[in-house]
Amino acid sequence: SQQGEEDPQALSIQEGENATMNCSYKTSINNLQWYRQNSGRGLVHLILIRSNEREKHSGRLRVTLDTSKKSSSLLITASRAADTASYFCATDASAGKSTFGDGTTLTVKP
Amino acid sequence: EAGVVQSPRYKIIEKKQPVAFWCNPISGHNTLYWYLQNLGQGPELLIRYENEEAVDDSQLPKDRFSAERLKGVDSTLKIQPAELGDSAVYLCASSPGGGNEQFFGPGTRLTVL
Repeated sequence: SQQGEEDPQALSIQEGENATMNCSYKTSINNLQWYRQNSGRGLVHLILIRSNEREKHSGRLRVTLDTSKKSSSLLITASRAADTASYFCATDASAGKSTFGDGTTLTVKP
Repeated sequence: EAGVVQSPRYKIIEKKQPVAFWCNPISGHNTLYWYLQNLGQGPELLIRYENEEAVDDSQLPKDRFSAERLKGVDSTLKIQPAELGDSAVYLCASSPGGGNEQFFGPGTRLTVL
């Protein structure tokens, strides 16, 4: 079974809207990472947030981490059609061992 | 800087046949991962190397799967014999060290008939 679980499984929005996806996990972590995967491609790293951090920004991405609730959220602002992809969270509970969830499939309609 | 290279990109074999996948990580990355990804699911770790040492192979089905990372650079993942349920995408990733971001290759899509 996966450590991280993303919610929702699928999300469809219009271009320009914001997209929020969530990740819940079960055990204590060192860090949590978000990755994007376009259809038929490998995963691309988006952002890493450490257990002692609460929020991180990168361009149009904002990630929050609540260790008390064992959850994280990824917000994509002003979405574009090119943001259409699957998004995965990966939790690192021991150095170097990341466990991935099953992802959120985001569709951004032009 | 070249990314993680995997070959072949696609492989179709009959069940009970052997198959091998090759991965060349980013230069200088000590940590190398092999993942299996089924359709609609996230990657599942098969094995993780720190240099040439396999430090986590608890999820590798050792009766049919084997891997090696000679000289701590390139790696090969082998399945012998392949079963229908092995059809999936096999992803290789590398990292400068444990706990850091991973860089993924494009994957090898295996179809077992």
